[in-house]
Amino acid sequence: GQQLNQSPQSMFIQEGEDVSMNCTSSSIFNTWLWYKQEPGEGPVLLIALYKAGELTSNGRLTAQFGITRKDSFLNISASIPSDVGIYFCAGYSSGSARQLTFGSGTQLTVLP
Amino acid sequence: EAGVAQSPRYKIIEKRQSVAFWCNPISGHATLYWYQQILGQGPKLLIQFQNNGVVDDSQLPKDRFSAERLKGVDSTLKIQPAKLEDSAVYLCASSSALGPSYEQYFGPGTRLTVT
Repeated sequence: GQQLNQSPQSMFIQEGEDVSMNCTSSSIFNTWLWYKQEPGEGPVLLIALYKAGELTSNGRLTAQFGITRKDSFLNISASIPSDVGIYFCAGYSSGSARQLTFGSGTQLTVLP
Repeated sequence: EAGVAQSPRYKIIEKRQSVAFWCNPISGHATLYWYQQILGQGPKLLIQFQNNGVVDDSQLPKDRFSAERLKGVDSTLKIQPAKLEDSAVYLCASSSALGPSYEQYFGPGTRLTVT
């Protein structure tokens, strides 16, 4: 199946700092979705991206659909303690349009 | 709007026993998915339904896993007999359309521990 390489695997940051994480693939993707998962809960959809080059914001979160269609980026500005969780990228590739492929996640810890 | 409902939230069974999980999708969502999430990994699709028909079950271990969505609304996933490696969180998701650009919404999951 399609592979999504998500980095970094984990991040420890100070409250108030900005965060960046990314997702890359060797395949072309038609849609990118970013989810957040907290302990004991299911993933919650944060942002959906549908066009190459698209930049979409949701509060302090901003995500971009890479122009090569093989990557996506998520930025969190001015982090707060409730940003703690695992962030997953996911996407529909051009070769597997019906199956959502997930990255392995970025574990974010925000230190007070 | 109510989200995706799942039950039970937790289940502990011994290996070789059977277990069933239930999911009720968001009202009006025609597409329903079951995922398996092993600790430290992203969710992996097990089966996808469109209404009451199976769209994709290529990654479902059919010798022990089965799923149904008889009336095109709620769904049940069963494991029989369970193995130790089935310990995972089983997530149900739903979406409103079938196509290349649709958003999936997840339930809280059922955490299964097989001893």
